[in-house]
Amino acid sequence: EPEVTQTPSHQVTQMGQEVILRCVPISNHLYFYWYRQILGQKVEFLVSFYNNEISEKSEIFDDQFSVERPDGSNFTLKIRSTKLEDSAMYFCASRVQGAYGYTFGSGTRLTVV
Amino acid sequence: GENVEQHPSTLSVQEGDSAVIKCTYSDSASNYFPWYKQELGKGPQLIIDIRSNVGEKKDQRIAVTLNKTAKHFSLHITETQPEDSAVYFCAANPAGGYQKVTFGTGTKLQVIP
Repeated sequence: EPEVTQTPSHQVTQMGQEVILRCVPISNHLYFYWYRQILGQKVEFLVSFYNNEISEKSEIFDDQFSVERPDGSNFTLKIRSTKLEDSAMYFCASRVQGAYGYTFGSGTRLTVV
Repeated sequence: GENVEQHPSTLSVQEGDSAVIKCTYSDSASNYFPWYKQELGKGPQLIIDIRSNVGEKKDQRIAVTLNKTAKHFSLHITETQPEDSAVYFCAANPAGGYQKVTFGTGTKLQVIP
């Protein structure tokens, strides 16, 4: 069964450093998303991406965050200057046109120290 | 925006018993209600969903019911098995397009052998 692949599975970074989280969505999917989950809390929407542009973003997704699809297969989330409160599990998801359910990746656990 | 409430936060049942998880939503524009199962260290996995033109949907041991008037929906798992132990999230969103999914707070289900 097709999967959404996320790398790395775990990243530890110093506060103030930039991190890039990578995702390879399912090949025929057209809608892409990033969500995050702080430990023990619910899954929160960050951003949706369609047709090579951001279609919606949450208030969490401020100027320190950016997304891009540089080569037609990878979908990346960049956090420019990490803060302690950015520590969370980050999930990439994708969806095919005409269907409603997402396929999530296994996540990247980001730890900011 | 949409707000999804979910109860209970934890649920323990004996193997073979039934489990019921309930959710309410606030936005009458929501018309798609997925349920996700999250196992430890993994991303959420879609297990069943329901559209607002349907009141009930079944898939083997799991079923969802929807009361659009009351804005609540429920997940029912019958003949529970130890492998059903996980965190379950309900969610709601307007179907179609690129609209984000709003998740509930999650229910940790433990099936005791």
